Amino acid sequence: AQSVAQPEDQVNVAEGNPLTVKCTYSVSGNPYLFWYVQYPNRGLQFLLKYITGDNLVKGSYGFEAEFNKSQTSFHLKKPSALVSDSALYFCAVRDRSNTGGFKTIFGAGTRLFVKA
Amino acid sequence: EAQVTQNPRYLITVTGKKLTVTCSQNMNHEYMSWYRQDPGLGLRQIYYSMNVEVTDKGDVPEGYKVSRKEKRNFPLILESPSPNQTSLYFCASSPLQREWTDTQYFGPGTRLTVL
Repeated sequence: AQSVAQPEDQVNVAEGNPLTVKCTYSVSGNPYLFWYVQYPNRGLQFLLKYITGDNLVKGSYGFEAEFNKSQTSFHLKKPSALVSDSALYFCAVRDRSNTGGFKTIFGAGTRLFVKA
Repeated sequence: EAQVTQNPRYLITVTGKKLTVTCSQNMNHEYMSWYRQDPGLGLRQIYYSMNVEVTDKGDVPEGYKVSRKEKRNFPLILESPSPNQTSLYFCASSPLQREWTDTQYFGPGTRLTVL
């Protein structure tokens, strides 16, 4: 079965330091991977996605993610964290269902705290 | 403004009292979906719809119903709510031009409490 794992419930980083939020996946075919961010009392917002091509994907707000097929990982990164980056981050994989539709499987989420 | 709207935003109800949470999008998207968010479990898909009159079960469909009579609306119906359906619910939509690579747009969420 397809699955997504975010091994860290919480990541703490000081402002200005690089940050990494980890994600590993398990899919039977080609992975279509997404990162979303959720700010307090808001819905999810799209950050970036990997479909094919370059393993380093650049997204919104200075975030990027590195796709590693051999390690089945899609870690989210940012070179210099901001306090305003503090939020809940979700990794997700898109999958085709048995009936031909498209399902999305989310990880449990990682809460990022950036300290000033 | 392109958006997904949900109503109500907050709802407290009692066990067994039927309720409907509405979802509407103004982007002419074919795909719509409902999720529930619970601490430690992330988002889990309840139902989704590929287009009008086409719906399918997600990972946690028990206790829920949906309908898609119009392209813009995708209501979530709880015929007999139970306390284990207390959760934060999100509606989302996306186009299907590139099938499963398209990004989803999320509504603001509905916090449901079933007593």
